[in-house]
Amino acid sequence: ETGVTQTPRHLVMGMTNKKSLKCEQHLGHNAMYWYKQSAKKPLELMFVYSLEERVENNSVPSRFSPECPNSSHLFLHLHTLQPEDSALYLCASSQEGYSGNTIYFGEGSWLTVV
Amino acid sequence: AQKVTQAQTEISVVEKEDVTLDCVYETRDTTYYLFWYKQPPSGELVFLIRRNSFDEQNEISGRYSWNFQKSTSSFNFTITASQVVDSAVYFCALSEAVNFNKFYFGSGTKLNVKP
Repeated sequence: ETGVTQTPRHLVMGMTNKKSLKCEQHLGHNAMYWYKQSAKKPLELMFVYSLEERVENNSVPSRFSPECPNSSHLFLHLHTLQPEDSALYLCASSQEGYSGNTIYFGEGSWLTVV
Repeated sequence: AQKVTQAQTEISVVEKEDVTLDCVYETRDTTYYLFWYKQPPSGELVFLIRRNSFDEQNEISGRYSWNFQKSTSSFNFTITASQVVDSAVYFCALSEAVNFNKFYFGSGTKLNVKP
Protein backbone atom coordinates (compact mmCIF):
# COMPACT_ATOMS: atom_id res chain seq x y z
CA GLU A 1 0.00 0.00 0.00
CA THR A 2 1.40 3.39 -0.97
CA GLY A 3 1.74 6.17 1.59
CA VAL A 4 -0.69 8.49 -0.16
CA THR A 5 -3.62 7.04 -2.06
CA GLN A 6 -5.94 8.90 -4.37
CA THR A 7 -9.28 7.91 -5.82
CA PRO A 8 -10.47 7.81 -8.47
CA ARG A 9 -7.38 7.49 -10.64
CA HIS A 10 -9.32 8.61 -13.71
CA LEU A 11 -12.43 10.74 -13.90
CA VAL A 12 -14.40 12.08 -16.83
CA MET A 13 -17.09 14.58 -15.99
CA GLY A 14 -19.39 16.96 -17.76
CA MET A 15 -19.33 20.66 -17.04
CA THR A 16 -22.55 20.48 -15.03
CA ASN A 17 -21.55 17.50 -12.90
CA LYS A 18 -20.50 17.46 -9.28
CA LYS A 19 -17.78 15.04 -8.28
CA SER A 20 -15.14 14.68 -5.62
CA LEU A 21 -11.55 13.56 -5.52
CA LYS A 22 -10.43 11.73 -2.43
CA CYS A 23 -7.01 11.48 -0.85
CA GLU A 24 -5.87 9.44 2.12
CA GLN A 25 -2.42 9.43 3.67
CA HIS A 26 -1.07 6.59 5.79
CA LEU A 27 2.13 8.30 6.87
CA GLY A 28 0.97 9.97 10.07
CA HIS A 29 1.56 13.41 8.58
CA ASN A 30 -0.21 16.58 9.68
CA ALA A 31 -0.16 18.62 6.48
CA MET A 32 -1.89 17.84 3.19
CA TYR A 33 -1.81 19.50 -0.20
CA TRP A 34 -3.60 19.65 -3.53
CA TYR A 35 -1.53 20.38 -6.63
CA LYS A 36 -2.67 20.77 -10.20
CA GLN A 37 -0.50 19.69 -13.10
CA SER A 38 -1.60 20.74 -16.57
CA ALA A 39 0.10 19.76 -19.79
CA LYS A 40 3.29 21.72 -20.32
CA LYS A 41 2.77 23.81 -17.20
CA PRO A 42 4.60 23.75 -13.88
CA LEU A 43 3.08 22.21 -10.80
CA GLU A 44 0.57 24.60 -9.29
CA LEU A 45 -0.14 24.56 -5.59
CA MET A 46 -3.87 24.85 -4.98
CA PHE A 47 -4.48 24.30 -1.29
CA VAL A 48 -2.54 23.49 1.85
CA TYR A 49 -4.01 22.17 5.07
CA SER A 50 -1.99 22.11 8.24
CA LEU A 51 -3.46 20.40 11.29
CA GLU A 52 -6.78 20.30 9.42
CA GLU A 53 -6.88 24.05 8.89
CA ARG A 54 -6.49 25.64 5.51
CA VAL A 55 -3.33 27.72 5.53
CA GLU A 56 -2.96 28.51 1.88
CA ASN A 57 -5.33 29.01 -1.01
CA ASN A 58 -3.61 30.15 -4.15
CA SER A 59 -6.41 32.10 -5.78
CA VAL A 60 -8.17 28.96 -6.87
CA PRO A 61 -11.62 29.39 -8.49
CA SER A 62 -14.54 28.63 -6.22
CA ARG A 63 -15.58 25.73 -8.43
CA PHE A 64 -12.86 23.84 -6.56
CA SER A 65 -13.75 23.32 -2.92
CA PRO A 66 -11.39 21.49 -0.55
CA GLU A 67 -12.34 19.66 2.59
CA CYS A 68 -10.08 18.21 5.26
CA PRO A 69 -12.15 16.33 7.87
CA ASN A 70 -9.08 14.99 9.67
CA SER A 71 -5.34 14.84 9.25
CA SER A 72 -5.49 11.67 7.16
CA HIS A 73 -8.13 12.63 4.61
CA LEU A 74 -8.44 15.35 2.05
CA PHE A 75 -11.13 15.93 -0.54
CA LEU A 76 -11.44 18.17 -3.54
CA HIS A 77 -15.05 18.82 -4.46
CA LEU A 78 -15.60 19.75 -8.08
CA HIS A 79 -18.60 21.48 -9.61
CA THR A 80 -19.36 23.29 -12.86
CA LEU A 81 -15.84 22.79 -14.11
CA GLN A 82 -14.47 24.06 -17.40
CA PRO A 83 -12.58 22.08 -20.05
CA GLU A 84 -9.39 23.94 -19.10
CA ASP A 85 -9.64 22.32 -15.67
CA SER A 86 -8.70 19.02 -17.25
CA ALA A 87 -5.41 18.08 -15.62
CA LEU A 88 -3.66 15.73 -13.25
CA TYR A 89 -4.57 16.51 -9.66
CA LEU A 90 -1.98 15.44 -7.15
CA CYS A 91 -2.47 15.06 -3.46
CA ALA A 92 0.50 15.16 -1.12
CA SER A 93 1.33 15.12 2.56
CA SER A 94 4.18 16.13 4.84
CA GLN A 95 5.01 16.35 8.50
CA GLU A 96 5.06 19.96 9.50
CA GLY A 97 6.69 21.01 12.70
CA TYR A 98 10.26 20.03 12.16
CA SER A 99 12.79 21.29 9.72
CA GLY A 100 13.23 19.64 6.43
CA ASN A 101 9.88 17.97 6.01
CA THR A 102 9.61 16.03 2.79
CA ILE A 103 6.45 16.12 0.73
CA TYR A 104 5.13 12.77 -0.50
CA PHE A 105 2.75 12.50 -3.40
CA GLY A 106 -0.06 10.20 -4.36
CA GLU A 107 -0.44 8.70 -7.82
CA GLY A 108 -2.73 11.48 -8.93
CA SER A 109 -6.24 11.70 -10.34
CA TRP A 110 -6.47 12.30 -14.06
CA LEU A 111 -9.46 14.57 -14.65
CA THR A 112 -11.06 15.20 -18.02
CA VAL A 113 -13.85 17.75 -18.30
CA VAL A 114 -16.03 17.36 -21.36
CA ALA B 1 11.78 35.44 -10.08
CA GLN B 2 11.81 31.68 -10.37
CA LYS B 3 13.16 30.03 -7.30
CA VAL B 4 14.06 26.79 -9.06
CA THR B 5 15.20 26.64 -12.65
CA GLN B 6 15.55 23.51 -14.71
CA ALA B 7 16.79 24.83 -18.00
CA GLN B 8 16.72 21.49 -19.79
CA THR B 9 13.17 20.89 -20.97
CA GLU B 10 13.85 17.53 -22.56
CA ILE B 11 16.89 15.27 -22.91
CA SER B 12 17.24 12.15 -25.02
CA VAL B 13 20.01 9.62 -24.50
CA VAL B 14 20.73 6.10 -25.55
CA GLU B 15 20.70 3.37 -22.95
CA LYS B 16 23.93 3.05 -20.94
CA GLU B 17 24.86 6.67 -21.47
CA ASP B 18 25.40 8.89 -18.44
CA VAL B 19 23.14 11.92 -18.17
CA THR B 20 23.11 14.95 -15.87
CA LEU B 21 20.00 16.93 -15.07
CA ASP B 22 20.64 20.50 -14.01
CA CYS B 23 18.94 22.40 -11.22
CA VAL B 24 19.69 25.97 -10.20
CA TYR B 25 17.93 27.53 -7.24
CA GLU B 26 17.56 30.95 -5.71
CA THR B 27 17.04 31.74 -2.06
CA ARG B 28 18.09 34.26 0.57
CA ASP B 29 17.51 31.84 3.39
CA THR B 30 20.54 30.23 4.98
CA THR B 31 18.51 27.17 5.93
CA TYR B 32 16.77 25.42 3.10
CA TYR B 33 16.18 22.00 1.62
CA LEU B 34 16.52 20.70 -1.90
CA PHE B 35 14.69 17.75 -3.38
CA TRP B 36 14.52 15.64 -6.50
CA TYR B 37 11.41 13.80 -7.62
CA LYS B 38 10.80 11.39 -10.48
CA GLN B 39 7.46 11.34 -12.32
CA PRO B 40 6.95 8.31 -14.55
CA PRO B 41 4.08 8.30 -17.09
CA SER B 42 1.72 6.88 -14.46
CA GLY B 43 1.70 10.29 -12.77
CA GLU B 44 2.97 9.82 -9.23
CA LEU B 45 5.87 12.01 -8.14
CA VAL B 46 8.34 9.70 -6.46
CA PHE B 47 10.65 11.20 -3.87
CA LEU B 48 14.32 10.54 -4.63
CA ILE B 49 16.42 12.66 -2.31
CA ARG B 50 16.46 15.55 0.16
CA ARG B 51 19.52 17.62 1.02
CA ASN B 52 19.81 20.39 3.58
CA SER B 53 21.76 23.57 3.00
CA PHE B 54 24.41 22.67 5.57
CA ASP B 55 25.42 19.42 3.98
CA GLU B 56 27.31 19.82 0.74
CA GLN B 57 28.52 16.27 0.57
CA ASN B 58 27.71 14.61 -2.68
CA GLU B 59 25.48 11.59 -2.44
CA ILE B 60 25.43 8.38 -4.41
CA SER B 61 22.66 5.84 -4.46
CA GLY B 62 23.24 3.05 -6.94
CA ARG B 63 23.29 4.60 -10.40
CA TYR B 64 22.06 7.93 -9.05
CA SER B 65 24.30 10.69 -7.73
CA TRP B 66 23.72 14.26 -6.69
CA ASN B 67 26.13 17.18 -6.74
CA PHE B 68 25.23 20.05 -4.41
CA GLN B 69 27.26 23.23 -4.83
CA LYS B 70 26.26 26.27 -2.80
CA SER B 71 28.81 28.44 -4.59
CA THR B 72 26.85 28.08 -7.82
CA SER B 73 23.42 27.46 -6.23
CA SER B 74 23.13 24.20 -8.07
CA PHE B 75 21.90 20.75 -7.19
CA ASN B 76 22.53 18.55 -10.19
CA PHE B 77 21.43 14.96 -10.63
CA THR B 78 23.42 12.39 -12.59
CA ILE B 79 22.21 9.00 -13.75
CA THR B 80 25.03 6.65 -14.64
CA ALA B 81 24.51 3.94 -17.25
CA SER B 82 20.96 5.05 -17.94
CA GLN B 83 18.21 2.52 -18.52
CA VAL B 84 14.89 2.68 -20.33
CA VAL B 85 13.12 2.58 -16.95
CA ASP B 86 14.74 5.90 -16.10
CA SER B 87 12.54 7.58 -18.70
CA ALA B 88 10.41 10.06 -16.77
CA VAL B 89 10.05 13.71 -15.91
CA TYR B 90 12.37 14.78 -13.12
CA PHE B 91 11.58 17.69 -10.84
CA CYS B 92 13.87 19.65 -8.59
CA ALA B 93 12.31 21.46 -5.63
CA LEU B 94 13.23 23.85 -2.83
CA SER B 95 11.75 24.58 0.58
CA GLU B 96 12.91 27.33 2.89
CA ALA B 97 13.07 27.62 6.66
CA VAL B 98 10.70 30.60 6.65
CA ASN B 99 7.90 28.35 5.46
CA PHE B 100 8.48 24.65 5.24
CA ASN B 101 4.99 24.11 3.86
CA LYS B 102 5.93 25.96 0.72
CA PHE B 103 7.68 23.91 -1.95
CA TYR B 104 9.02 25.58 -5.06
CA PHE B 105 9.17 23.19 -7.99
CA GLY B 106 11.12 23.58 -11.18
CA SER B 107 9.35 23.08 -14.47
CA GLY B 108 10.81 19.60 -14.83
CA THR B 109 13.14 17.87 -17.27
CA LYS B 110 11.77 15.09 -19.42
CA LEU B 111 14.32 12.32 -19.86
CA ASN B 112 13.94 9.89 -22.74
CA VAL B 113 16.19 6.87 -22.60
CA LYS B 114 16.16 4.94 -25.87
CA PRO B 115 17.14 1.30 -26.14
